[in-house]
Amino acid sequence: DTAVSQTPKYLVTQMGNDKSIKCEQNLGHDTMYWYKQDSKKFLKIMFSYNNKELIINETVPNRFSPKSPDKAHLNLHINSLELGDSAVYFCASSQGARLAGGQETQYFGPGTRLLVL
Amino acid sequence: KNEVEQSPQNLTAQEGEFITINCSYSVGISALHWLQQHPGGGIVSLFMLSSGKKKHGRLIATINIQEKHSSLHITASHPRDSAVYICAVAGGYQKVTFGTGTKLQVIP
Repeated sequence: DTAVSQTPKYLVTQMGNDKSIKCEQNLGHDTMYWYKQDSKKFLKIMFSYNNKELIINETVPNRFSPKSPDKAHLNLHINSLELGDSAVYFCASSQGARLAGGQETQYFGPGTRLLVL
Repeated sequence: KNEVEQSPQNLTAQEGEFITINCSYSVGISALHWLQQHPGGGIVSLFMLSSGKKKHGRLIATINIQEKHSSLHITASHPRDSAVYICAVAGGYQKVTFGTGTKLQVIP
């Protein structure tokens, strides 16, 4: 059974469009994350949600809006897509909200490769 | 300067060699993660440390909090270990900063 799943796996779209990426985890975790990996393979955290509540919102444009309908899902909606949004987006989850104490392993989804033309 | 620096950036090793990847960070942290990203793109969490040392199979991770340094060791390396290894530090409530990764290639 897939622990953290993302759809779609690949997304090719035109500039200016609005698109969504979905993420679901069946691990019963309380916290979910969105990361962006750029063309140089550098990972950056974008958002994290704990029990449907926004915990982290890094310096991400307002065009990116996460939505958590329940704690098993964290979707990422992107408005007015730009060329610079092309990247691989990873969803992840962890049991609790804290990364301290060496007890919060994160489980990653397979990634969604977004290409904006 | 990135808050998390990894070395080397690229590493090529012969099968069977002992490998060390280093991670230095400049911020106070509550935990440090080692991640493995396969050539296909999938990311797997290898270790999470807040002190000392952890071992899993042929992989060993150590951390020295005073020196703000961690190492990932691979004993008896194998071609299937070829991947990008990423160090990530967790400082403060949920703030995670990633290193730029070390690309490892193990040649048979």
